[in-house]
Amino acid sequence: QVQLQESGPGLVKPSQTLSLTCTVSGGSISSGSYYWSWIRQPAGKGLEWIGRIYTSGSTNYNPSLKSRVTISVDTSKNQFSLKLSSVTAADTAVYYCARGDHTSYCGGDCPPDYWGQGTLVTVSS
Amino acid sequence: AIWMTQSPSLLSASTGDRVTISCRMSQGISSYLAWYQQKPGKAPELLIYAASTLQSGVPSRFSGSGSGTDFTLTISCLQSEDFATYYCQQYYSFPWTFGQGTKVEIK
Repeated sequence: QVQLQESGPGLVKPSQTLSLTCTVSGGSISSGSYYWSWIRQPAGKGLEWIGRIYTSGSTNYNPSLKSRVTISVDTSKNQFSLKLSSVTAADTAVYYCARGDHTSYCGGDCPPDYWGQGTLVTVSS
Repeated sequence: AIWMTQSPSLLSASTGDRVTISCRMSQGISSYLAWYQQKPGKAPELLIYAASTLQSGVPSRFSGSGSGTDFTLTISCLQSEDFATYYCQQYYSFPWTFGQGTKVEIK
């Protein structure tokens, strides 16, 4: 069974770049027709979709973050990553990585079905 | 972006109750809607996709219905492990968006 695990600094200073990595185990990140997503959740609030990537390198980003976000994939390490630049306190949240499928029975994209446990990132000086 | 109105935001219920949560879209999304359950300190878990298809392993007391702009999640007989927060999510168009959440608490 596939498992996802986020890792990265738990504290980032304002104006700096938040960098997180999601390590995929239990299967190759390149196998199948999967996409790999980042989603975040400020404390006590709802979920915000950040973006996603296919192993082909094709990406989709949330326009509200697009100018600051980069998602990349490293198939040799079975990992994908998130970089969010120029962070402020508003970027403080639990960040989740997740996997979704792209199949005919979903009519294209399926919603994310495997999620990491999440990692808290605090933006503070 | 497609906006979603999820209601109610808080639902007080007892074990054994039938509960219903609504999600209304600002525009039609066909059946590209998912429902998630989230417990405190945990990642969301996918319950339903394509508006009404039960994810593997999810109990049959959960059901989803609707298409276009109006969707419903129903729990037919609430169990103790069902007290959690529920979110709808549209994956019809980017950016994918989530509802504000419905917390189901013990009455």
